[in-house]
Amino acid sequence: QQQVKQSPQSLIVQKGGIPIINCAYENTAFDYFPWYQQFPGKGPALLIAIRPDVSEKKEGRFTISFNKSAKQFSLHIMDSQPGDSATYFCAASRGGFQKLVFGTGTRLLVSP
Amino acid sequence: SAVISQKPSRDICQRGTSLTIQCQVDSQVTMMFWYRQQPGQSLTLIATANQGSEATYESGFVIDKFPISRPNLTFSTLTVSNMSPEDSSIYLCSVEDRRGGETQYFGPGTRLLVL
Repeated sequence: QQQVKQSPQSLIVQKGGIPIINCAYENTAFDYFPWYQQFPGKGPALLIAIRPDVSEKKEGRFTISFNKSAKQFSLHIMDSQPGDSATYFCAASRGGFQKLVFGTGTRLLVSP
Repeated sequence: SAVISQKPSRDICQRGTSLTIQCQVDSQVTMMFWYRQQPGQSLTLIATANQGSEATYESGFVIDKFPISRPNLTFSTLTVSNMSPEDSSIYLCSVEDRRGGETQYFGPGTRLLVL
């Protein structure tokens, strides 16, 4: 019940493409869903987060889509760039200040 | 967002020794968290450290192995005790930052290799 399942494990897209990363959760008590971006040798950096009362949130080129009934959420990266090549983690918690349960990560490579 | 620093940034240690990792934040925060990220893996919460109370450990992590101190609202330490090669990981602290809404921010991590 505490797991967050993330797919795919790795993803390669061409520059300008729209990679989509999917996550699913079981615990209906989760009410905060952030996405983190991690570059090699760095700590995870918060990209964007959503709560279940909205179905979509956009910040720049990053969009979260949220499906409460399916208990799924996804990250879309519009007009992807080589600089977006990183590992992306979804996470979930019961409130933003509670412990985060992380997905397994997706390694994204955007080719020039 | 909160600015978080960790020391050391990396270390190579011998088995059986202990290492203390420091986490410093540029603002007062109530909740701090310590995570472990094994090579190529996801992040797993070790414990939650609130100022003025004992740390709360997750299943599989014990205080004798990972003692934590939280002397004030801007600082915490995690000690990895009696290390073995299996402890080779990245150790990350995170903090809640209410200035940016409800969210957690991570430090740069401490990369530990145990020989």
